[in-house]
Amino acid sequence: EADIYQTPRYLVIGTGKKITLECSQTMGHDKMYWYQQDPGMELHLIHYSYGVNSTEKGDLSSESTVSRIRTEHFPLTLESARPSHTSQYLCASSDAQAFAPLHFGNGTRLTVT
Amino acid sequence: DQQVKQNSPSLSVQEGRISILNCDYTNSMFDYFLWYKKYPAEGPTFLISISSIKDKNEDGRFTVFLNKSAKHLSLHIVPSQPGDSAVYFCAARDQLYGQNFVFGPGTRLSVLP
Repeated sequence: EADIYQTPRYLVIGTGKKITLECSQTMGHDKMYWYQQDPGMELHLIHYSYGVNSTEKGDLSSESTVSRIRTEHFPLTLESARPSHTSQYLCASSDAQAFAPLHFGNGTRLTVT
Repeated sequence: DQQVKQNSPSLSVQEGRISILNCDYTNSMFDYFLWYKKYPAEGPTFLISISSIKDKNEDGRFTVFLNKSAKHLSLHIVPSQPGDSAVYFCAARDQLYGQNFVFGPGTRLSVLP
Protein backbone atom coordinates (compact mmCIF):
# COMPACT_ATOMS: atom_id res chain seq x y z
CA GLU A 1 0.00 0.00 0.00
CA ALA A 2 1.26 3.43 -0.95
CA ASP A 3 2.34 5.74 1.85
CA ILE A 4 2.03 9.32 0.77
CA TYR A 5 0.73 11.99 3.06
CA GLN A 6 -0.63 15.45 2.47
CA THR A 7 -1.38 18.16 5.01
CA PRO A 8 -3.58 19.96 5.63
CA ARG A 9 -6.58 18.07 4.25
CA TYR A 10 -8.66 21.23 4.14
CA LEU A 11 -7.57 24.86 4.20
CA VAL A 12 -9.63 28.04 4.08
CA ILE A 13 -7.52 31.16 3.82
CA GLY A 14 -7.88 34.81 2.91
CA THR A 15 -6.62 36.48 -0.24
CA GLY A 16 -2.98 37.54 -0.15
CA LYS A 17 -1.80 34.97 2.40
CA LYS A 18 1.23 32.79 1.79
CA ILE A 19 0.54 29.08 2.10
CA THR A 20 2.53 25.87 1.87
CA LEU A 21 0.92 22.53 1.12
CA GLU A 22 2.93 19.64 2.50
CA CYS A 23 3.53 16.29 0.80
CA SER A 24 5.68 13.46 2.09
CA GLN A 25 6.19 9.88 0.96
CA THR A 26 7.91 7.01 2.71
CA MET A 27 8.45 4.75 -0.30
CA GLY A 28 11.76 6.23 -1.42
CA HIS A 29 10.29 7.20 -4.79
CA ASP A 30 12.42 9.53 -6.86
CA LYS A 31 9.53 10.90 -8.93
CA MET A 32 6.98 13.20 -7.34
CA TYR A 33 4.15 15.23 -8.81
CA TRP A 34 1.56 17.88 -8.00
CA TYR A 35 -1.79 17.77 -9.76
CA GLN A 36 -4.67 20.23 -9.56
CA GLN A 37 -8.27 19.14 -9.93
CA ASP A 38 -11.44 21.19 -10.06
CA PRO A 39 -14.76 19.39 -9.32
CA GLY A 40 -15.90 17.15 -12.17
CA MET A 41 -12.80 17.86 -14.19
CA GLU A 42 -9.65 15.99 -15.11
CA LEU A 43 -6.43 16.21 -13.13
CA HIS A 44 -3.84 18.63 -14.49
CA LEU A 45 -0.11 18.40 -13.82
CA ILE A 46 1.31 21.60 -12.35
CA HIS A 47 4.75 20.50 -11.09
CA TYR A 48 6.97 17.44 -11.07
CA SER A 49 10.35 16.34 -9.81
CA TYR A 50 12.61 13.48 -10.82
CA GLY A 51 14.78 13.72 -7.74
CA VAL A 52 16.46 15.97 -5.21
CA ASN A 53 17.09 19.49 -6.52
CA SER A 54 15.09 18.72 -9.68
CA THR A 55 11.80 20.53 -10.30
CA GLU A 56 9.88 21.29 -13.48
CA LYS A 57 6.61 22.97 -14.37
CA GLY A 58 3.80 20.86 -15.77
CA ASP A 59 1.29 21.50 -18.52
CA LEU A 60 -1.04 23.68 -16.49
CA SER A 61 0.30 27.12 -15.75
CA SER A 62 0.45 27.72 -12.03
CA GLU A 63 1.59 30.57 -9.84
CA SER A 64 2.77 28.10 -7.24
CA THR A 65 6.36 26.99 -6.67
CA VAL A 66 7.83 23.74 -5.38
CA SER A 67 11.06 22.54 -3.86
CA ARG A 68 12.73 19.13 -3.51
CA ILE A 69 15.45 19.29 -0.91
CA ARG A 70 14.82 15.79 0.39
CA THR A 71 13.67 12.72 -1.53
CA GLU A 72 10.64 12.20 0.67
CA HIS A 73 9.39 15.79 0.78
CA PHE A 74 7.83 17.88 -2.02
CA PRO A 75 6.07 20.98 -0.67
CA LEU A 76 4.06 23.39 -2.82
CA THR A 77 3.96 27.10 -1.98
CA LEU A 78 1.65 29.91 -3.02
CA GLU A 79 3.24 33.27 -2.17
CA SER A 80 -0.02 35.21 -2.39
CA ALA A 81 -3.24 33.20 -2.49
CA ARG A 82 -6.12 34.35 -4.70
CA PRO A 83 -9.70 33.06 -5.11
CA SER A 84 -8.67 31.60 -8.51
CA HIS A 85 -6.37 29.22 -6.59
CA THR A 86 -9.38 27.53 -4.99
CA SER A 87 -9.10 23.88 -6.03
CA GLN A 88 -8.04 20.45 -4.89
CA TYR A 89 -4.30 19.80 -4.92
CA LEU A 90 -3.14 16.20 -5.23
CA CYS A 91 0.40 15.03 -4.61
CA ALA A 92 1.67 11.79 -6.15
CA SER A 93 4.83 9.75 -6.40
CA SER A 94 6.05 6.88 -8.54
CA ASP A 95 8.84 4.39 -8.73
CA ALA A 96 11.55 4.87 -11.34
CA GLN A 97 10.57 1.72 -13.25
CA ALA A 98 9.44 2.13 -16.85
CA PHE A 99 5.84 1.16 -16.14
CA ALA A 100 5.09 2.34 -12.63
CA PRO A 101 1.76 3.85 -11.59
CA LEU A 102 1.28 7.06 -9.70
CA HIS A 103 0.39 6.74 -6.03
CA PHE A 104 -1.66 9.64 -4.71
CA GLY A 105 -2.12 11.26 -1.35
CA ASN A 106 -5.59 12.21 -0.12
CA GLY A 107 -5.25 15.75 -1.37
CA THR A 108 -5.62 19.24 0.07
CA ARG A 109 -8.81 21.08 -0.66
CA LEU A 110 -7.93 24.77 -0.72
CA THR A 111 -10.48 27.57 -0.53
CA VAL A 112 -9.31 31.15 -0.87
CA THR A 113 -11.84 33.75 0.24
CA ASP B 1 -7.85 19.78 -26.59
CA GLN B 2 -8.65 16.73 -24.48
CA GLN B 3 -6.27 13.87 -25.24
CA VAL B 4 -8.09 11.43 -22.96
CA LYS B 5 -11.87 11.34 -23.11
CA GLN B 6 -14.44 9.62 -20.98
CA ASN B 7 -17.68 10.41 -22.73
CA SER B 8 -20.01 8.97 -20.11
CA PRO B 9 -20.14 11.23 -17.04
CA SER B 10 -22.08 8.59 -15.13
CA LEU B 11 -23.10 4.94 -15.23
CA SER B 12 -25.52 2.91 -13.10
CA VAL B 13 -25.31 -0.87 -12.83
CA GLN B 14 -27.09 -3.49 -10.76
CA GLU B 15 -25.08 -5.34 -8.14
CA GLY B 16 -23.68 -8.58 -9.54
CA ARG B 17 -23.77 -7.40 -13.15
CA ILE B 18 -20.87 -6.24 -15.29
CA SER B 19 -19.73 -2.61 -15.29
CA ILE B 20 -18.01 -1.39 -18.44
CA LEU B 21 -16.25 1.95 -18.35
CA ASN B 22 -14.90 3.39 -21.57
CA CYS B 23 -12.07 5.70 -22.46
CA ASP B 24 -10.89 7.09 -25.81
CA TYR B 25 -7.59 8.78 -26.54
CA THR B 26 -6.13 10.77 -29.39
CA ASN B 27 -2.36 10.64 -28.84
CA SER B 28 -0.73 7.69 -30.61
CA MET B 29 2.42 8.17 -28.50
CA PHE B 30 0.70 6.98 -25.32
CA ASP B 31 2.42 3.78 -24.19
CA TYR B 32 0.98 3.11 -20.74
CA PHE B 33 -2.63 3.26 -19.63
CA LEU B 34 -4.07 3.20 -16.13
CA TRP B 35 -7.38 3.20 -14.31
CA TYR B 36 -7.92 4.91 -10.98
CA LYS B 37 -10.85 4.90 -8.58
CA LYS B 38 -11.66 7.92 -6.45
CA TYR B 39 -13.97 8.19 -3.47
CA PRO B 40 -15.12 11.63 -2.27
CA ALA B 41 -12.57 13.48 -0.14
CA GLU B 42 -9.85 10.93 -0.97
CA GLY B 43 -7.07 10.81 -3.52
CA PRO B 44 -7.27 8.53 -6.59
CA THR B 45 -6.39 4.90 -5.93
CA PHE B 46 -4.57 2.90 -8.59
CA LEU B 47 -6.62 -0.06 -9.88
CA ILE B 48 -5.04 -1.64 -12.91
CA SER B 49 -2.80 -0.75 -15.84
CA ILE B 50 -1.78 -2.00 -19.26
CA SER B 51 1.16 -1.26 -21.51
CA SER B 52 0.68 -0.61 -25.20
CA ILE B 53 2.24 -3.94 -26.18
CA LYS B 54 -0.68 -5.83 -24.62
CA ASP B 55 -4.39 -5.89 -25.37
CA LYS B 56 -5.69 -7.28 -22.09
CA ASN B 57 -4.74 -7.31 -18.43
CA GLU B 58 -6.72 -8.95 -15.66
CA ASP B 59 -6.59 -8.58 -11.89
CA GLY B 60 -9.35 -10.26 -9.95
CA ARG B 61 -12.68 -8.66 -10.79
CA PHE B 62 -11.02 -5.99 -12.93
CA THR B 63 -10.00 -6.41 -16.57
CA VAL B 64 -8.65 -3.71 -18.84
CA PHE B 65 -8.84 -4.03 -22.62
CA LEU B 66 -6.81 -1.96 -25.05
CA ASN B 67 -7.69 -1.52 -28.72
CA LYS B 68 -4.83 0.51 -30.18
CA SER B 69 -6.23 0.74 -33.68
CA ALA B 70 -9.40 2.32 -32.31
CA LYS B 71 -7.51 4.25 -29.61
CA HIS B 72 -9.95 2.84 -27.10
CA LEU B 73 -9.56 1.52 -23.58
CA SER B 74 -12.17 -0.12 -21.38
CA LEU B 75 -12.41 -1.33 -17.80
CA HIS B 76 -14.66 -4.28 -16.98
CA ILE B 77 -15.71 -4.94 -13.42
CA VAL B 78 -17.44 -8.24 -12.82
CA PRO B 79 -19.30 -8.86 -10.65
CA SER B 80 -20.00 -5.28 -9.63
CA GLN B 81 -20.35 -4.57 -5.92
CA PRO B 82 -21.85 -1.57 -4.08
CA GLY B 83 -18.36 -0.70 -2.81
CA ASP B 84 -17.30 -0.14 -6.41
CA SER B 85 -19.42 3.01 -6.49
CA ALA B 86 -16.91 5.81 -7.11
CA VAL B 87 -15.51 8.03 -9.83
CA TYR B 88 -13.22 6.18 -12.24
CA PHE B 89 -10.44 8.00 -14.08
CA CYS B 90 -8.67 6.76 -17.16
CA ALA B 91 -5.05 7.97 -17.50
CA ALA B 92 -2.34 7.62 -20.13
CA ARG B 93 1.35 8.36 -20.33
CA ASP B 94 3.09 9.91 -23.32
CA GLN B 95 6.28 7.95 -24.04
CA LEU B 96 7.95 11.09 -25.32
CA TYR B 97 7.06 13.04 -22.19
CA GLY B 98 7.20 10.31 -19.59
CA GLN B 99 6.75 12.65 -16.70
CA ASN B 100 3.18 13.47 -17.61
CA PHE B 101 0.21 11.24 -17.04
CA VAL B 102 -2.84 12.68 -18.82
CA PHE B 103 -6.17 12.08 -17.12
CA GLY B 104 -9.72 11.91 -18.41
CA PRO B 105 -12.56 13.77 -16.66
CA GLY B 106 -13.87 10.65 -14.95
CA THR B 107 -17.02 8.51 -14.96
CA ARG B 108 -19.15 8.22 -11.84
CA LEU B 109 -20.19 4.59 -11.34
CA SER B 110 -23.15 3.77 -9.14
CA VAL B 111 -23.70 0.12 -8.28
CA LEU B 112 -27.26 -0.38 -7.09
CA PRO B 113 -28.06 -3.10 -4.54
